[in-house]
Amino acid sequence: DTAVSQTPKYLVTQMGNDKSIKCEQNLGHDTMYWYKQDSKKFLKIMFSYNNKELIINETVPNRFSPKSPDKAHLNLHINSLELGDSAVYFCASSQETGITIYFGEGSWLTVV
Amino acid sequence: GDSVTQMEGPVTLSEEAFLTINCTYTATGYPSLFWYVQYPGEGLQLLLKATKADDKGCNKGFEATFRKETTSFHLEKGSVQVSDSAVYFCALTPNQAGTALIFGKGTTLSVSS
Repeated sequence: DTAVSQTPKYLVTQMGNDKSIKCEQNLGHDTMYWYKQDSKKFLKIMFSYNNKELIINETVPNRFSPKSPDKAHLNLHINSLELGDSAVYFCASSQETGITIYFGEGSWLTVV
Repeated sequence: GDSVTQMEGPVTLSEEAFLTINCTYTATGYPSLFWYVQYPGEGLQLLLKATKADDKGCNKGFEATFRKETTSFHLEKGSVQVSDSAVYFCALTPNQAGTALIFGKGTTLSVSS
């Protein structure tokens, strides 16, 4: 059973499109995250939700909007995609802030 | 703010060689420290962790000790295998509300037979 699952794994889309990446965790965790990994492999936090409440919102363009319908799901919607949005997006979860974080397998987004 | 610094890669070793990847950190409170591994084309896997000073994390032959006096968490393995080729990330969590994992820039390890 996959603990943190995200879909799609690969996504190729054109500039200007709107796309979503979905994430679900079956670990019963209270906190979920979105991280972005750039072409140099650098990982940076984008958002974090605790019990459906936004608790971390780093400097991310407004085109990125997370949505948490319940504490097991945290989706990432991206409007008006740009070439620079090409990256790997990782969803993650933890029981509490600061405790061990478990990652999904990543979603490889390519904007052409 | 809190930060993590890892040695620059890539690190290239022959099979059965000894591995050290250096990691140092800056933290204002009481962090927990982690090593994550990313195999080619795959996601991030937790390799080992240490939650307080002098703790040693161990897994799959890898180990790292949380050393507060030198603010370090170096990753070591006595004998690497080709299958260990991956990117290794040192990370810390400040253990404070409203914070998340802070990663180093990653070190690519390439092991040849």
